[in-house]
Amino acid sequence: KAGVTQTPRYLIKTRGQQVTLSCSPISGHRSVSWYQQTPGQGLQFLFEYFSETQRNKGNFPGRFSGRQFSNSRSEMNVSTLELGDSALYLCASSSAGTGSTNEKLFFGSGTQLSVL
Amino acid sequence: AQSVTQLDSQVPVFEEAPVELRCNYSSSVSVYLFWYVQYPNQGLQLLLKYLSGSTLVKGINGFEAEFNKSQTSFHLRKPSVHISDTAEYFCAVRHNFGNEKLTFGTGTRLTIIP
Repeated sequence: KAGVTQTPRYLIKTRGQQVTLSCSPISGHRSVSWYQQTPGQGLQFLFEYFSETQRNKGNFPGRFSGRQFSNSRSEMNVSTLELGDSALYLCASSSAGTGSTNEKLFFGSGTQLSVL
Repeated sequence: AQSVTQLDSQVPVFEEAPVELRCNYSSSVSVYLFWYVQYPNQGLQLLLKYLSGSTLVKGINGFEAEFNKSQTSFHLRKPSVHISDTAEYFCAVRHNFGNEKLTFGTGTRLTIIP
């Protein structure tokens, strides 16, 4: 069974640009969550999608958005990039929606975004 | 809202020595607790989790953690570490009801010294 796949692995952008990151969950998983990882801040929750609906949202500005498709693949978009958006963006999938006691997150290797 | 504190950002340990990585949480309601490990250039993977029942939880790779409700702690331990345990370890918490998100700590980088 293939794991969680994130593309691209590395991305370099300049301030003001926008970027789209992609995440393909494990086959059969309907929940996809996104996290921003920076040194010293740990993992900050961005949002979670379950069956194409955003079910949870973290405390990030509206420049960060996402969506989920009918095949459970998810995309995350960041508009008007700022230097502080440089981070590793991790996607995680789960077979159960958040709130289930059987919830176990499977993480991808992440997309390393550098904003210059 | 819940929060997690990992006081030690870096922990160096000699090979075959024991290790304890500390995690304290804050929540006004009952919680589920997790430890995840991130090896270099990889995503996170679940080490162990506490949902209910026995407060001593055993996970993969010889790790275990003990839930202490009075101390609001969930420290991770291993009696004898290997070089391959070098990684970053994250403690996480969420409420045990509803569609709540996981809240992660800032991580502890464990370095094993040969």
